[in-house]
Amino acid sequence: EAGVTQSPTHLIKTRGQQATLRCSPISGHTSVYWYQQALGLGLQFLLWYDEGEERNRGNFPPRFSGRQFPNYSSELNVNALELEDSALYLCASRVSGANVLTFGAGSRLTVL
Amino acid sequence: EDQVTQSPEALRLQEGESSSLNCSYTVSGLRGLFWYRQDPGKGPEFLFTLYSAGEEKEKERLKATLTKKESFLHITAPKPEDSATYLCAVQLGGYNKLIFGAGTRLAVHP
Repeated sequence: EAGVTQSPTHLIKTRGQQATLRCSPISGHTSVYWYQQALGLGLQFLLWYDEGEERNRGNFPPRFSGRQFPNYSSELNVNALELEDSALYLCASRVSGANVLTFGAGSRLTVL
Repeated sequence: EDQVTQSPEALRLQEGESSSLNCSYTVSGLRGLFWYRQDPGKGPEFLFTLYSAGEEKEKERLKATLTKKESFLHITAPKPEDSATYLCAVQLGGYNKLIFGAGTRLAVHP
């Protein structure tokens, strides 16, 4: 069974640009979660999608947004990039009724 | 404010030297506590879920325990392949409310 896949693995952008990160959940998983892991900090919850709808978002500005597609894959968009957006962005998926998140390997975003 | 604190930040052990990692929390309405392992360049890998004080879970050289205010991850006779960052997270309310600690970086030397 394929795990959670994320792309790209690495992304380098400059301040003010936009970044798009992608996530494919495990087959059969309908919920997708996005987390930000900045250096030295714990994972910070960004967004939760389930059945194509945004269910909840963490304490991040509106320039962090995303969506979930009919095939349950998801996209995270970060507009007007700032230096402090440099981090590892992790996607996780969960099957309905289960209590464990399965994480992808992450996308490392560097903002110069 | 809900908070999860892990200690120590970093731990260096000799192979075979047992030790414990701590995860303390101040939250309201704990529904579960999770332990994950994260290797460099990879996403966190699920280890254990604990739901109530007094509960214990074991997997190979790892044992997780839970009290009303903290959890311990005991590592018995560690091997170099146990080197990783260990993350704990608490679950509050709905499943999206998962609060992670900053992690403990464990290095086991032969």
